[in-house]
Amino acid sequence: NAGVTQTPKFQVLKTGQSMTLQCAQDMNHEYMSWYRQDPGMGLRLIHYSVGAGITDQGEVPNGYNVSRSTTEDFPLRLLSAAPSQTSVYFCASKGNTGELFFGEGSRLTVL
Amino acid sequence: GNSVTQMEGPVTLSEEAFLTINCTYTATGYPSLFWYVQYPGEGLQLLLKATKADDKGSNKGFEATYRKETTSFHLEKGSVQVSDSAVYFCALRGSSNTGKLIFGQGTTLQVKP
Repeated sequence: NAGVTQTPKFQVLKTGQSMTLQCAQDMNHEYMSWYRQDPGMGLRLIHYSVGAGITDQGEVPNGYNVSRSTTEDFPLRLLSAAPSQTSVYFCASKGNTGELFFGEGSRLTVL
Repeated sequence: GNSVTQMEGPVTLSEEAFLTINCTYTATGYPSLFWYVQYPGEGLQLLLKATKADDKGSNKGFEATYRKETTSFHLEKGSVQVSDSAVYFCALRGSSNTGKLIFGQGTTLQVKP
């Protein structure tokens, strides 16, 4: 049972480069979300989706794009990376009991 | 808006000591409250939850009681083990049940043998 799978686990970018963090879940969950984790700030919600074709902004959406073409996948795109986007990113999906299931995280460094 | 405040860490305890990690919240209506745990190098896992006032969530020896009168959801364990060393996050989901969780800043627990 894979659960929530994120790739890549580690990535180093230069300022201005673009990249996509991939997230896939095999639990048929409608709700998926992306958080970033920074020291002393907990987790902050970037974007979320309540189902295929529907996305919305969270607390810190600037600099990030998302799309949801299928129930399984919810990629996060950085169009022009900035050092302020250096962080650990977590994808999560929500089960029927309201519990969030998290991926193992993607550590991004922007130089 | 909704918010969660946790006690500052790190918390360092000896094995078999009693643990309390304080969590207070600000929210309108009747939020659901959660504790998540993050072991080194891993994602977050649900530890316990409570969905209404006076509910007690419990799991793996950890407990937390939803206190609406003090807007608190403190995490406790009677006897910690080295394997409990992790980062603990308090979180709430607003009464609209959109699924969005708001997290506290996290408290690092280190248990020494």
